[in-house]
Amino acid sequence: QKEVEQNSGPLSVPEGAIASLNCTYSDRGSQSFFWYRQYSGKSPELIMSIYSNGDKEDGRFTAQLNKASQYVSLLIRDSQPSDSATYLCAAHSGGGADGLTFGKGTHLIIQP
Amino acid sequence: KAGVTQTPRYLIKTRGQQVTLSCSPISGHRSVSWYQQTPGQGLQFLFEYFSETQRNKGNFPGRFSGRQFSNSRSEMNVSTLELGDSALYLCASKITQGAGNTIYFGEGSWLTVV
Repeated sequence: QKEVEQNSGPLSVPEGAIASLNCTYSDRGSQSFFWYRQYSGKSPELIMSIYSNGDKEDGRFTAQLNKASQYVSLLIRDSQPSDSATYLCAAHSGGGADGLTFGKGTHLIIQP
Repeated sequence: KAGVTQTPRYLIKTRGQQVTLSCSPISGHRSVSWYQQTPGQGLQFLFEYFSETQRNKGNFPGRFSGRQFSNSRSEMNVSTLELGDSALYLCASKITQGAGNTIYFGEGSWLTVV
């Protein structure tokens, strides 16, 4: 059974610091990985997607993928109070037919 | 560019009734998938449609069904509603670009079953 594991938190980070969010996945066939941000009462908002081993940067966000270790992470630099949300990690298998497998999410709190 | 549009946004139904939710994907996106989000189970995949064909289905009972129209709009239906069906139902629009897929969610339909 495909699983994505995340620490539920809460993860508390001071404003301006780097927030580090991690997830692991069980299905070695997973090829695409996504980070979504979800505010309370809202739908998930896509932050980053990553398909290849290594780092991918977009503004204050950096996604890291290590397929050998089945590990995905998201770094948020210069954390802002508006970054406080639940961050969902998701994995997608190849072939295009499967849905996303989501972790339960990490609740991130940025302390002013 | 318009995003994924879901209707209705909020609805309350009684046990035993049925409900139909609608989703219009991002223009040009032909793949639509549906997810259920509950506090206990998190986000779970329901099914995916591409070119009016169901390509995959998650582990949900047959009361949950869907379809896709020629304009890529999709509907999902839940029959004989149960209290446990109360959830946020999310539609996702997917496009394949190069090596990977990009998947965007709509604002969701909040279903309460009483």
